[in-house]
Amino acid sequence: EAQVTQNPRYLITVTGKKLTVTCSQNMNHEYMSWYRQDPGLGLRQIYYSMNVEVTDKGDVPEGYKVSRKEKRNFPLILESPSPNQTSLYFCASKREQGRDQPQHFGDGTRLSIL
Amino acid sequence: QKEVEQDPGPLSVPEGAIVSLNCTYSNSAFQYFMWYRQYSRKGPELLMYTYSSGNKEDGRFTAQVDKSSKYISLFIRDSQPSDSATYLCAIPYNFNKFYFGSGTKLNVKP
Repeated sequence: EAQVTQNPRYLITVTGKKLTVTCSQNMNHEYMSWYRQDPGLGLRQIYYSMNVEVTDKGDVPEGYKVSRKEKRNFPLILESPSPNQTSLYFCASKREQGRDQPQHFGDGTRLSIL
Repeated sequence: QKEVEQDPGPLSVPEGAIVSLNCTYSNSAFQYFMWYRQYSRKGPELLMYTYSSGNKEDGRFTAQVDKSSKYISLFIRDSQPSDSATYLCAIPYNFNKFYFGSGTKLNVKP
């Protein structure tokens, strides 16, 4: 089954403790992206990757890092999480960068940072 | 100013009603417009997308773009309880960077 898998689905942690949210897709997609979703603010793009080793900032990249060492994986790293990063996070992928193709979203990771 | 603004809702309608969901955008250079549907505890899924002005119909759903007023709409005819979800408008800037509206939560009552 074609899917985008995020782990963990839920995490409660404390300020300053580094964490990584993993994202993996099994569709051989070139493009991957991370979003956060907050009430009243909708989905905001954090980072996106057009291919292996090619990443770029979205609208809200501060406090986040990403890497794309393999085509299937696009982890989101919070080096020193803060409470304002408490949010619902989504990873997405699509077949090619720069093309009008649908994004496939994972089911989300709910992060709470105390 | 945000690139795209969306009526926040929530919207509650009886089954069979016509639903109108709306967004406005700021940049007249935007050419493509998308609507995503998001069920509770799930990621968004693409419902429809349109290019430039005019209407596009897909079953009970019609997407409409008015570029002169920078206004985009999604109409749902004969709404069903299964249409209950959050609807997000989205604008792809070069199809790598995406701007989403804040979402409108729709509840269709049986």
